[in-house]
Amino acid sequence: DTVLTQSPALAVSPGERVSISCRASEGVNSYMHWFQQKPGQQPKLLIYKASNLASGVPARFSGSGSGTDFTLTIDPVEADDTATFFCQQSWNDPPTFGGGTKLELK
Amino acid sequence: EVQLQESGPGLVKPSQSLSLTCSVTGYSITSNYWGWIRKFPGNKMEWMGYISYSGSTSYNPSLKSRISITRDTSKNQFFLQLNSVTTEDTATYYCARNYGGYSGVMDAWGQGASVTVSS
Repeated sequence: DTVLTQSPALAVSPGERVSISCRASEGVNSYMHWFQQKPGQQPKLLIYKASNLASGVPARFSGSGSGTDFTLTIDPVEADDTATFFCQQSWNDPPTFGGGTKLELK
Repeated sequence: EVQLQESGPGLVKPSQSLSLTCSVTGYSITSNYWGWIRKFPGNKMEWMGYISYSGSTSYNPSLKSRISITRDTSKNQFFLQLNSVTTEDTATYYCARNYGGYSGVMDAWGQGASVTVSS
């Protein structure tokens, strides 16, 4: 299976820019997607196919990358962005998820 | 707007079967793919399998001998059955729409159903 590696946690101040990385153990083309999950809620799609903003998602969120290295950027970070962010690939079978990056605000 | 809602028992005994229903409104399950994903305590997420618009299925090899996904198009529902459960199957189970084909994106999710496996 394709292993997706994310940093476990990040802490930033509101108004700053934050980049969350996801590294795949093998190439996934551009088929990397990003989700935000808050406690007690279902995952919410933010970015699909590496760089496409999902419907209704603020333009503060952006995605980049291809192959094995991908980044989700939030600029500027707002207090409401406190959550866990997951990457997920759908190029290789089976689809797999990263371990999640917990974003905390200072 | 598509909406998904999971339902089913919150407690299952070891060695028994886990059965969940995903009820879909606002979109027909005869289009796109429909899947089950679970999130374990500690945040790890696992894709379990899909049922397609035509009724074909694909499962995670790690579960292949225990899992079955079926559907009732007349009720616009699809179902998960996981056999021979152990405590390691304790998780929150989500159903989701996979938009854009097998390699598409899970763009709509249910709220999740918490299932505990315990005697």
